[in-house]
Formats: sequence, C-alpha cells, structure tokens
Amino acid sequence: GIQVEQSPPDLILQEGANSTLRCNFSDSVNNLQWFHQNPWGQLINLFYIPSGTKQNGRLSATTVATERYSLLYISSSQTTDSGVYFCAVETETSGSRLTFGEGTQLTVNP
Amino acid sequence: DSGVTQTPKHLITATGQRVTLRCSPRSGDLSVYWYQQSLDQGLQFLIQYYNGEERAKGNILERFSAQQFPDLHSELNLSSLELGDSALYFCASSGPGDTQYFGPGTRLTVL
Repeated sequence: GIQVEQSPPDLILQEGANSTLRCNFSDSVNNLQWFHQNPWGQLINLFYIPSGTKQNGRLSATTVATERYSLLYISSSQTTDSGVYFCAVETETSGSRLTFGEGTQLTVNP
Repeated sequence: DSGVTQTPKHLITATGQRVTLRCSPRSGDLSVYWYQQSLDQGLQFLIQYYNGEERAKGNILERFSAQQFPDLHSELNLSSLELGDSALYFCASSGPGDTQYFGPGTRLTVL
C-alpha cells in the first residue's frame, strides 16, 4: 500500500515563530487531508487539498501532486497550535479510506 | 464541532469482555468510517459503510464487527477484548467525494 512519511517527527517552537511541516507520499493520490489532533485527542480538519494551495488564517497548505508531497505552513504560531499534525491520503486503489502518516508533534512554548 | 457524535467518550472494561461503540454521522452523510489510534500502530482504518452496506475493510480483527443501521448511525462491536485493544476509536463520516469529518473518539481502556 501507499507509504506516507511526515517530517519532522517533533518540532519545538517559541510563540510567534513560523514553521513548515512536510508530508511525502509514495503513490498518486485522489485526496489529501491535513488534521490537527489537539491535546484532548480530537482530530480537527485543517485542509482538504489534493493539489494546489489553500490558506486559512495563519495556516496554509500546498500539495504538489506530481512530486508527491504536501507542505503545511504555520505562521506566527500560538500555544494553542500545539498538538500533533497528521497528513492523510486516499488513493485510486484504496478507495476512500484514509492512510495516515505518523504525524508531527508540535510544541509551542510561550 | 464536526457534527459527528460518538458515545461513550470513555470506556473502561476487563479482558474478555464485549463492548459496543456508537457513532452518528453528520446530517446527510451516507459514508461512515471507523479508525483505531493506538500508540504502536498509529491511526489505522478499520472499516467503511455506505448507506447500510459494507464498502471497504482494513486491518479489522475478526473479533471486531460493525454495522450501519437504516437511520445511518453505526456501531462497532469489540469482543473478547485484550489489553492490546486499548486505543482511541474514531468514527468519521463524509458525503460523496468529500472530506472526512471525525468525531471526538471513544477512549477504550482494557484492564
């Protein structure tokens, strides 16, 4: 099946800093989603982005499907951004099931 | 709030027991998915239902089963529980070709 690799595995920032999280995938995808899992365990949808660029406030994402990667940008980070960020993909062969990466653990210190 | 509800939020039980987790999808969504998040396996797809029919199966153990009812809510049944079944179980729902929205999860602890 498809492999989804996220980097870095851990990231520690000071409040106000910017960061870039990366997701590489090993095959063509029909769909790619970014999620934030907060410290209470809830998975929050950030972006549905099989290709192109989207922005939502301080967050933006870019997927380059032909090169099989996606980037999540967090600007002016806040302590509430802490948590785990997951990338998840759907492929033609997997149907609509999502295959998740292992996540990036982000800690934003005040 | 994603619009997907799951009950119960927490469940503590003993090895060998059976439990049922319940999920109500977002209004209008016909697809329901179950995922398991454990420390050693990460987030893994278990099973998908679409309008009452099983659509896809992932790494779901034979001790686990699921169904989707006519009102589109779904239940995940876990039986002969083992310590290793302790995990966070998520339900998600989606419309056709749409984003999957996740519920708050049920945290299962098997003692």
